[in-house]
Amino acid sequence: NAGVMQNPRHLVRRRGQEARLRCSPMKGHSHVYWYRQLPEEGLKFMVYLQKENIIDESGMPKERFSAEFPKEGPSILRIQQVVRGDSAAYFCASSPGQGVQPQHFGDGTRLSIL
Amino acid sequence: QKEVEQNSGPLSVPEGAIASLNCTYSDRGSQSFFWYRQYSGKSPELIMFIYSNGDKEDGRFTAQLNKASQYVSLLIRDSQPSDSATYLCAVNMKIDQFYFGTGTSLTVIP
Repeated sequence: NAGVMQNPRHLVRRRGQEARLRCSPMKGHSHVYWYRQLPEEGLKFMVYLQKENIIDESGMPKERFSAEFPKEGPSILRIQQVVRGDSAAYFCASSPGQGVQPQHFGDGTRLSIL
Repeated sequence: QKEVEQNSGPLSVPEGAIASLNCTYSDRGSQSFFWYRQYSGKSPELIMFIYSNGDKEDGRFTAQLNKASQYVSLLIRDSQPSDSATYLCAVNMKIDQFYFGTGTSLTVIP
């Protein structure tokens, strides 16, 4: 399957723990986007990355959240000291190049905070 | 004004009818426009995309752009119950910046 791969599909954490969400883009895609979606709400842009570079993190909370896309391996969205309000679906999308190319989404990670 | 706006609905149409979904965007210089379908609990799935140079038809789906009024529409002909989903409009406004609308919920009534 050459689609966008996200894991885990479901992640349960207790308040104060760390959550790590992984995303492997489609083959040939070098641009990765992370979105958050609360139940019954729209997609909220968080961050846009290319290999080893954060291009736009304007949608990312200033504290506790970080993202990376290393030269080798998947993109990681990291949430430290999780709180109940972090419970959401986190989607990763990838595209092959700049702007005019459509984004393709992974199946998402459903994060639940106990 | 939000960058991309959609009527949240719900929009209900009878089976076999034409469903018309619209979204407006704020940046007149936007060049590419995307429609995604999202079933409940699932990820967004790309249906169609168009560029500023014209409309596009693909099977039962037609995407139309009105640049003067800054809106893009998606028409679904011969609507089926399986088309019931939330439809997300996305616009590429600046290089590498996508803005998504909040989506329109569509219900096709058998």
